[in-house]
Amino acid sequence: DTVLTQSPALAVSPGERVSISCRASEGVNSYMHWYQQKPGQQPKLLIYKASNLASGVPARFSGSGSGTDFTLTIDPVEADDTATYFCQQSWNDPFTFGSGTKLEIK
Amino acid sequence: QVKLQQSGAELVKPGASVKLSCKTSGYTFSTSYMSWFKQIPGQSIEWIGMIYAGDGGTGYNQKFKGKATLTVDTSSSTAYMDLSSLTTEDSAVYFCATGTTNFFAYWGQGTLVTVSS
Repeated sequence: DTVLTQSPALAVSPGERVSISCRASEGVNSYMHWYQQKPGQQPKLLIYKASNLASGVPARFSGSGSGTDFTLTIDPVEADDTATYFCQQSWNDPFTFGSGTKLEIK
Repeated sequence: QVKLQQSGAELVKPGASVKLSCKTSGYTFSTSYMSWFKQIPGQSIEWIGMIYAGDGGTGYNQKFKGKATLTVDTSSSTAYMDLSSLTTEDSAVYFCATGTTNFFAYWGQGTLVTVSS
């Protein structure tokens, strides 16, 4: 299976820029997607196919990358962005998710 | 608007089976794909499999073959997932989600399954 590696946690202050990385163990073309999950809630799609903003998602969120290295950027960060962020690939079978990056807003 | 309403929490005994439901509204269910996911609280998310409501065709993560069975009822726009021969390792929150065959814009609220004697 394709392993997606994310850094476990980040802490930033409101107004700052934060980049969350996701590295795939094998190429996934541009089929990388990003989700935000808050405690006790379902995941929310933020970015699809590496760089496309999902409907209703603020333009503060952006995505980049292709192949094996991908980045989710939030600029500027707001207090409400406290959550865990997961990457998910759909190029290789089975679909897999990263272990998640927990974002703390100081 | 698109809504996915999942069935309530389940407490089941080891060795038993459970059937989870995901009732949909707000879109054309009969030509859509539904995926199911497993998440142990505090951990990552696993994709279980996907079903096409148009013909019931399925695709499973090899890890969940024999454990999960996906079905749909187009008359009620509801998707189902049967989990069999449950063990404590099956205790988790299970989500249904739809959107495309690659990424998932709409999610149910999740169903907590607890396997305990």
